Formats: sequence, C-alpha cells, structure tokens
Amino acid sequence: EDQVTQSPEALRLQEGESSSLNCSYTVSGLRGLFWYRQDPGKGPEFLFTLYSAGEEKEKERLKATLTKKESFLHITAPKPEDSATYLCAVQAGRGAQKLVFGQGTRLTINP
Amino acid sequence: EAQVTQNPRYLITVTGKKLTVTCSQNMNHEYMSWYRQDPGLGLRQIYYSMNVEVTDKGDVPEGYKVSRKEKRNFPLILESPSPNQTSLYFCASSYTYNSPLHFGNGTRLTVT
Repeated sequence: EDQVTQSPEALRLQEGESSSLNCSYTVSGLRGLFWYRQDPGKGPEFLFTLYSAGEEKEKERLKATLTKKESFLHITAPKPEDSATYLCAVQAGRGAQKLVFGQGTRLTINP
Repeated sequence: EAQVTQNPRYLITVTGKKLTVTCSQNMNHEYMSWYRQDPGLGLRQIYYSMNVEVTDKGDVPEGYKVSRKEKRNFPLILESPSPNQTSLYFCASSYTYNSPLHFGNGTRLTVT
C-alpha cells in the first residue's frame, strides 16, 4: 500500500531561522511528488512537482529536493507570511490517477 | 480569473437528507476530483473523473455519488448523509491526471 508520512507534525520557527520539512514515501513506481501549501480556510495551492531522485526545484525562500525514499522542503530565512500547512503528495505507478497525501506539517513563523 | 468554485462554503444538514455540493472550473481541465480532509487523516480521495462521462472511485467512495455530464462541472452527491460524513470537502481539477491540481476553497459539511 502506498504511504506518505510527513514530519514534523508542527514546527515553530523564529523569523529568519532556516529549517527543513520531511516527506517520506513508500510507493511502487513513483510517477511524481507534489508539494502544496494550505492556508487556513483555503484549498491547497500548488508549489512544486518532482519526478526523479536528485531533482531540485526552487521558489523564493523554498527549495524542494527528492531522493528515492523521501523529499525535503527547505525553507531559508522564513518570514511570517510563510506560515501555513505544507502538504506532500505522491502519484504512483499503479492507479496513477490518484494522489496519496501526507498529513501535512503545520509551520508557524514568529516575527 | 482561473478558478475552481465550490458551493456552498458551509452546510449544516440532518441525517438522511439528500444534498449536492457543486463544483465548477473555468480552465477547460479534463481531470476533476473530490477529496475530504479530516484531522489526523489528511486529504483522502473520494471520486475522480478523467473526462466527461468517465468517473471512478477513489479511496473513500462509500456514501457518495458523482456525475460528469459537462467538462466544467463535477457535483458531489450525498444521497443519505450520515454524521461520519461531517468533514471539509475539496474539489480539484487539472489539465490531465498527472498535472498539478487546482483546488477550490472547500465546503465544510456538518451532518447532525
């Protein structure tokens, strides 16, 4: 069974304090790994797609990386507006029409 | 503006009273999907549609129905809602099944 586990469940940082969020997965034939950001009261918003081990994508203070077993979302010098829940989802070979989501990491950046 | 629109945003109903949550997208997307989000369980897929008249079950389809008669619309139907269907529901769409999803802003359903 395809599984996605995100850690930590919640993370509090001071403004400017860099850190990383983890997404571990066990799937049969990864077709793609997606990162989304979700603000309270809103739907998830797409950030990145990664397809193969070694791939990296960047956007402003965020950088996503992928290995064969996990993905990291690195946040550099975060600002309070980066506070949100970050969701990881994988699309696997069998049933590729489906996404399996992790439970998310709730990130809070204190000014 | 490109968007996925869900209605209503909030809905309180009683057990057994049929309801429909509407979903519409204006991006000409082929793929549409419904998810429910529950604390501790994350987002779980209910049903998805690869194109008009093509729908299939996700991971938690029991108690739900969908239809895709037009490309832009993908309503979620609860024929006889029960309290365990109290949840936050999201509709999403994408160009194809492996493209990034665009989500609506959610429908918070309470079944008493």
